[in-house]
Amino acid sequence: DIQMTQSPSSLSASVGDRVTITCRASQTIISYLNWYQLSPGKAPKLLIYGASSLQSGVPSRFSGTGSGTNFTLTLSSLHPEDFATYYCQQSYSSLPYTFGQGTNLEIK
Amino acid sequence: QVRLQESGPGLVKPSQTLSLTCTVSGGSVSSGNYYWSWIRQPAGKGLEWIGRIYTSGSTTYNPSLKSRVTISIDTSQNQFSLILSSVTAADTAVYYCAREVSGSYYPIDYWGQGTLVTVSS
Repeated sequence: DIQMTQSPSSLSASVGDRVTITCRASQTIISYLNWYQLSPGKAPKLLIYGASSLQSGVPSRFSGTGSGTNFTLTLSSLHPEDFATYYCQQSYSSLPYTFGQGTNLEIK
Repeated sequence: QVRLQESGPGLVKPSQTLSLTCTVSGGSVSSGNYYWSWIRQPAGKGLEWIGRIYTSGSTTYNPSLKSRVTISIDTSQNQFSLILSSVTAADTAVYYCAREVSGSYYPIDYWGQGTLVTVSS
C-alpha cells in the first residue's frame, strides 16, 4: 500500500490566519492527490483534486500544490467554518486508495 | 444536487454480518462516469477505503478486507450496498457511502453523512 503521511496532526490557529498542511506519499503518485474536509455532523467535502484543482463551489482561499511525493494544502485566510479535520488521499493506486491520518485544525 | 444516504442497523453482534445500503438521489448509479464507494472511520482514527463498485457490477476491494466484503448495486432502486461478514469490535466505525469520479484523478466528490455502526454483544 502507498502510505500517506500528513503533518501536523493538529494545528491551532485564529480566524484570518494562513495555514499550510503537508502530505507526503511513500512513493510517487504524480498528481493523484485529493484533499477533503471533515466537519462533525456534515458530509465530508472534496476541496482539491489532482493536487491543485479547486473543486466547484469551494472558496478560492483553499489551494493545493505539489507533485510526485510532496503536497501542500493552504488556507489563505481562515474563516470560522474552516475549523475542521483535513485529510489527503492518494488515488494513484486503486488497491487500495489510502488516506493520510488527518490534520485537526482548531481555533486558538 | 447529488445526495447519498446510508441506512442500516446501528448495532451488530460480534461474528455476525454488517449490512448497509446507500440510497442515491439527484444522480444515477447507472451513470458510467462514476464509481460507488464505501469508506469507514473508526472512532479517533483515520479514514479507510473499503471498496467500490461500477454500474456494470465490477468491484474492487481493499485487500485487508477482501475476504469479508461484498459490495453490490441495484440500479432499479438507485442504491448500492455493503456487506461485511464475521465482524469484530475492530469493525466499529462510522461508515460512509460516496461517489468517486471515474477518471480525472478519481476524487470522491460526494459523500453521505455517515452512519455509526457499533459491534457489540
